[in-house]
Amino acid sequence: QVQLQQWGAGLLKPSETLSLTCAVYGGSFGTYYWSWIRQPPGKGLEWIGEIYHSGTTNYNPSLKSRVTISVDTSKNQFSLKLTSVTAADTAVYYCARERDSGSYLGDYYYYMDVWGRGTTVTVSS
Amino acid sequence: DIQMTQSPSTLSASVGDRVTITCRASQSIRRWLAWYQQKPGKAPNLLIYDASSLESGVPSRFSGSGSGTEFTLTISSLQPDDFATYYCQQYKSYYTFGQGTKLEIK
Repeated sequence: QVQLQQWGAGLLKPSETLSLTCAVYGGSFGTYYWSWIRQPPGKGLEWIGEIYHSGTTNYNPSLKSRVTISVDTSKNQFSLKLTSVTAADTAVYYCARERDSGSYLGDYYYYMDVWGRGTTVTVSS
Repeated sequence: DIQMTQSPSTLSASVGDRVTITCRASQSIRRWLAWYQQKPGKAPNLLIYDASSLESGVPSRFSGSGSGTEFTLTISSLQPDDFATYYCQQYKSYYTFGQGTKLEIK
């Protein structure tokens, strides 16, 4: 049974860099995409970006200029960095595994099937 | 960007009721749609993928249907554990979620 354990700083000041890590236990790491998603207080879910074990990344265009997702395959971990945070970045941040749904006309599709418990990040001066 | 719109935003129902939540995509996403259940303070939990495939371990009272731009999640007979918020998500082009439907006890 795969489990995702995440950690990182929970309180930041404006302009600082958010840094979170997610470790994968109990399952294969190298055959999945891995994502970060966030949820502001009382609001819906927003996808931040994803990474494959090879290091290939994709980011939400709205956050792309501030986001870096990296992977450490030796530790079965992946990490999120979000620079220049503001109060609008206050949210619960989740890591998640993406399962392959299959392909259609040469494109592949993935959905999130296992989620971490979430890390609350508050940005406040 | 593909926008996802859920309706209703809030739904009041009783144990034993049959309920349906609708999700509409701003463009065709074929069947690349998932449904999640989220309870307060918890991570989302996958219920349905590929519009109508039931995730392993999810009770059979949950079902999904639809394709293209219109999708539904149906709970055939509400149980006390089902009162939660439900999100649809498209995965045809990156990932976007609906705004959520809060299912409340009437």
